[in-house]
Amino acid sequence: DSGVTQTPKHLITATGQRVTLRCSPRSGDLSVYWYQQSLDQGLQFLIQYYNGEERAKGNILERFSAQQFPDLHSELNLSSLELGDSALYFCASSVVGGQGYETQYFGPGTRLLVL
Amino acid sequence: AQKVTQAQTEISVVEKEDVTLDCVYETRDTTYYLFWYKQPPSGELVFLIRRNSFDEQNEISGRYSWNFQKSTSSFNFTITASQVVDSAVYFCALSIIQGAQKLVFGQGTRLTINP
Repeated sequence: DSGVTQTPKHLITATGQRVTLRCSPRSGDLSVYWYQQSLDQGLQFLIQYYNGEERAKGNILERFSAQQFPDLHSELNLSSLELGDSALYFCASSVVGGQGYETQYFGPGTRLLVL
Repeated sequence: AQKVTQAQTEISVVEKEDVTLDCVYETRDTTYYLFWYKQPPSGELVFLIRRNSFDEQNEISGRYSWNFQKSTSSFNFTITASQVVDSAVYFCALSIIQGAQKLVFGQGTRLTINP
């Protein structure tokens, strides 16, 4: 158990809908990362938040947005869903802010199926 | 830009055989980190090892060992005396220290250990 929690574990929805994925980082971690794992694109970085502020963006669609709340949990919002958004969405957390680099620890993922 | 290549898409061996998973990376940065993650059939991503670009010492942890060679930009992973529980998809990843500390993943190698 990495200490990172994600809910829900599975999500089935229809095209055009909007969903929210939730992530709670490990205790003490300030940074949250979101990744998407799909069959055709592999594991891709979406976005990073550090202590409530957006730190970096990757290949995140405009239909997707995220935020990190004062209690450091994060939510990834996916809207106007398309069939191609079906994927496994991972959240990872790390301390960030100390010296050097800290390892990212991953949550169990949310499996999204868009029908 | 950074890139990670895992040329072996799938490997299948019989239990107790040794197996090596290859990883080749590309980056122009002189300071970076390399990682291996394991994704068992249950789907979560499990951190195995982190190595920084200044440390070319090989590492051994039980049946696992890692060979980092900067001269060939490779970071290979060997499992000795493989077991059925080692069956998983293994990902090699790279992260630079400057800017967004996102992970760039290879496509993964699916390892099947047959009894």
